Amino acid sequence: DVKVTQSSRYLVKRTGEKVFLECVQDMDHENMFWYRQDPGLGLRLIYFSYDVKMKEKGDIPEGYSVSREKKERFSLILESASTNQTSMYLCASSAPTGSYNEQFFGPGTRLTVL
Amino acid sequence: RKEVEQDPGPFNVPEGATVAFNCTYSNSASQSFFWYRQDCRKEPKLLMSVYSSGNEDGRFTAQLNRASQYISLLIRDSKLSDSATYLCVVNTRNRDDKIIFGKGTRLHILP
Repeated sequence: DVKVTQSSRYLVKRTGEKVFLECVQDMDHENMFWYRQDPGLGLRLIYFSYDVKMKEKGDIPEGYSVSREKKERFSLILESASTNQTSMYLCASSAPTGSYNEQFFGPGTRLTVL
Repeated sequence: RKEVEQDPGPFNVPEGATVAFNCTYSNSASQSFFWYRQDCRKEPKLLMSVYSSGNEDGRFTAQLNRASQYISLLIRDSKLSDSATYLCVVNTRNRDDKIIFGKGTRLHILP
């Protein structure tokens, strides 16, 4: 059974803190994605990666960075958390472009920044 | 025009009824289309792909209309368990290989 796991289901941080969200997939997928989901705004792509040590900006990268040192792990970093980064964060992975590219999502991390 | 657009709903439908909703997309170069389902406080999961000729999976039928640039999802004999948000997903296989999620249509099946 395919699996994408995220390090925390719920996280509460303070403004200005550095926040790490971890995502691990066990499907040997090349592609990994970070989204945030907010009511009325839907899923918005923050960053994605098509390979180890490779990253591409999505639609809303400001205030975020990512790291992909190993194929199975994709980390989202909030350098200095702000209240407008309170959201549900979803990680996903998929097989490479050119093949059936269903995205498999992790359970999400609900981050609250106080 | 937004890249992918869906009626947010909610659609309140009695159990056993048939319900259909559409999703329009703006990029004519879009090549792959999907419907995802997201239950409350859960992650999205693939419901079905949408093929050019249309496809059916049990009570669910998905269709693509390239000329008018929309896809549709039809649910027959709706069940209480069909209550969820349905996300339309469009993949444009160009240099950027962009995958775009719609904001979703909320469906409530009423007993």
